[in-house]
Amino acid sequence: GQNIDQPTEMTATEGAIVQINCTYQTSGFNGLFWYQQHAGEAPTFLSYNVLDGLEEKGRFSSFLSRSKGYSYLLLKELQMKDSASYLCAVVDSNYQLIWGAGTKLIIKP
Amino acid sequence: ETGVTQTPRHLVMGMTNKKSLKCEQHLGHNAMYWYKQSAKKPLELMFVYSLEERVENNSVPSRFSPECPNSSHLFLHLHTLQPEDSALYLCASSLDPGQTYNEQFFGPGTRLTVL
Repeated sequence: GQNIDQPTEMTATEGAIVQINCTYQTSGFNGLFWYQQHAGEAPTFLSYNVLDGLEEKGRFSSFLSRSKGYSYLLLKELQMKDSASYLCAVVDSNYQLIWGAGTKLIIKP
Repeated sequence: ETGVTQTPRHLVMGMTNKKSLKCEQHLGHNAMYWYKQSAKKPLELMFVYSLEERVENNSVPSRFSPECPNSSHLFLHLHTLQPEDSALYLCASSLDPGQTYNEQFFGPGTRLTVL
């Protein structure tokens, strides 16, 4: 079967750095998305990786290793507004998005 | 504003009621999706429409009935629901479902409670 694993919840301090991991076992791989979802709101796109390596976008970076079935989202200089759930999703061989259950990130002052 | 709107935002219904959820996208996309989001579970894909034709139905109970009258509008008709159907129902759209880069744009969701 297809599976996406993420930690259920993480806590970090304002101003610090946090890394949210995602491991996957899917039938094929055509890319990996990270989305952010604030409570009661729509998920919004953060990043897309299809090749190995690190993609940096401001305070957020996303890394992919296809051979290890592994990705992480790195958030720097954490702000209170970064408190949200972070969803990892893989595009499988049928171009379907397979979703993880999301990681709830709590930022403390 | 993500370009995808959903109404109503909140809905409480009894098990014998019939109601409909509405989604509208203003992005010129060709594909629309219904997802169910339950606490601490992955997003569950319910239905996919591409150019107004249903292309995916992930074994969803018949008490959920989708309708896509055109590429901008998507409905989810609900009847005789069960309490376990209480969840956040998300609508999304994308340019083309058959591409590797298929960023989906989500609406804010309808929080459904079935009593």
